[in-house]
Amino acid sequence: AQSVTQLGSHVSVSEGALVLLRCNYSSSVPPYLFWYVQYPNQGLQLLLKYTSAATLVKGINGFEAEFKKSETSFHLTKPSAHMSDAAEYFCAVIQTGANNLFFGTGTRLTVIP
Amino acid sequence: DAGVTQSPTHLIKTRGQQVTLRCSPKSGHDTVSWYQQALGQGPQFIFQYYEEEERQRGNFPDRFSGHQFPNYSSELNVNALLLGDSALYLCASSLGQRETQYFGPGTRLLVL
Repeated sequence: AQSVTQLGSHVSVSEGALVLLRCNYSSSVPPYLFWYVQYPNQGLQLLLKYTSAATLVKGINGFEAEFKKSETSFHLTKPSAHMSDAAEYFCAVIQTGANNLFFGTGTRLTVIP
Repeated sequence: DAGVTQSPTHLIKTRGQQVTLRCSPKSGHDTVSWYQQALGQGPQFIFQYYEEEERQRGNFPDRFSGHQFPNYSSELNVNALLLGDSALYLCASSLGQRETQYFGPGTRLLVL
């Protein structure tokens, strides 16, 4: 079964610095990949998705992710962190032959003023 | 355009009781999926409903059951509650079973 692994349960960056949140997937075929963000005491909000079209995917709030098949990665980046980006970020995959999302364990992003 | 809504927002139950959580999908969506998110963890898939039938199920016991109504809204029922059922329960809707899922705010269940 396909899965995703998020490296780093906690990431801290300074305001204005680059944000890089890592996600690797395990799959023999290109999967559907997603990044969701969860603010405290809220549900999940879709940031962006990859569905085998362009490998560089742009999302909301200035985030983007690049699908790299050779590295089986789908890392999330943002050039300049803002205080409002502080949240929990989840990478997820729709598994082949299934319809459900399989989530990584999440990365908590802290932005230091 | 209303997004996914869930009720109630919070719920406190005692062990052994039963609970029903409700979800209204985003306008135009016909598929509802339910997830359980324990504290500090990622969401885990419970089941998915499409055309009023359970189409796929995760690794959850039969104590977890659901229903989808003709208007596509859905209920999640949990019987014989255990302390370990305490979690945030998330509902997601989509237009089709493998399409992008949009989440509601969740229902936080505390079992004492």
